[in-house]
Amino acid sequence: DAGITQSPRHKVTETGTPVTLRCHQTENHRYMYWYRQDPGHGLRLIHYSYGVKDTDKGEVSDGYSVSRSKTEDFLLTLESATSSQTSVYFCAISESGLPGPPKETQYFGPGTRLLVL
Amino acid sequence: DAKTTQPPSMDCAEGRAANLPCNHSTISGNEYVYWYRQIHSQGPQYIIHGLKNNETNEMASLIITEDRKSSTLILPHATLRDTAVYYCIVRVREYQLIWGAGTKLIIKP
Repeated sequence: DAGITQSPRHKVTETGTPVTLRCHQTENHRYMYWYRQDPGHGLRLIHYSYGVKDTDKGEVSDGYSVSRSKTEDFLLTLESATSSQTSVYFCAISESGLPGPPKETQYFGPGTRLLVL
Repeated sequence: DAKTTQPPSMDCAEGRAANLPCNHSTISGNEYVYWYRQIHSQGPQYIIHGLKNNETNEMASLIITEDRKSSTLILPHATLRDTAVYYCIVRVREYQLIWGAGTKLIIKP
């Protein structure tokens, strides 16, 4: 299994508070991704990173920001958490973003369950 | 925006082959088909990918039709631990995989 950890694994917070989720990898992969998954749905991309300090938005980026100061860490911040951001958050990594597996294949962490009250 | 269509659920007897279909009729010539599975809300697990030719690895086989408009994932000897949601995915834009709702596969003893 790819060396990906996420912290915390579970979090309960209140509306309006800031929340930061951390993804840590030991694979030295260049690309990292944050997804959210809601009940009965597949994953939706929030933000991704293609290198240190290089990030871009995914399809559901509103209300989220990210930072990547080191290859191994990718942080997702909810500036002011809302109940609609209650979800399971998955981090993924890939060696490359260029077309064509296997280097493009994404590997996922165990997820963080976030409940916003 | 999903480019794939899968049945919402399927059953399969333990020890038999599980055949999971996927339609991707609008796939472009250079787009790969990926299969992932997710066991009980764990992180998705990569299974296999393909472009034109059939592929096989230690987990599964992938059969892609000649016109590339559909594919089938085959788990040759399903076990109870293969119960999961299986996602067929086409990479539709740079860095981004578009996920549908997947197929919930239940392996029955």
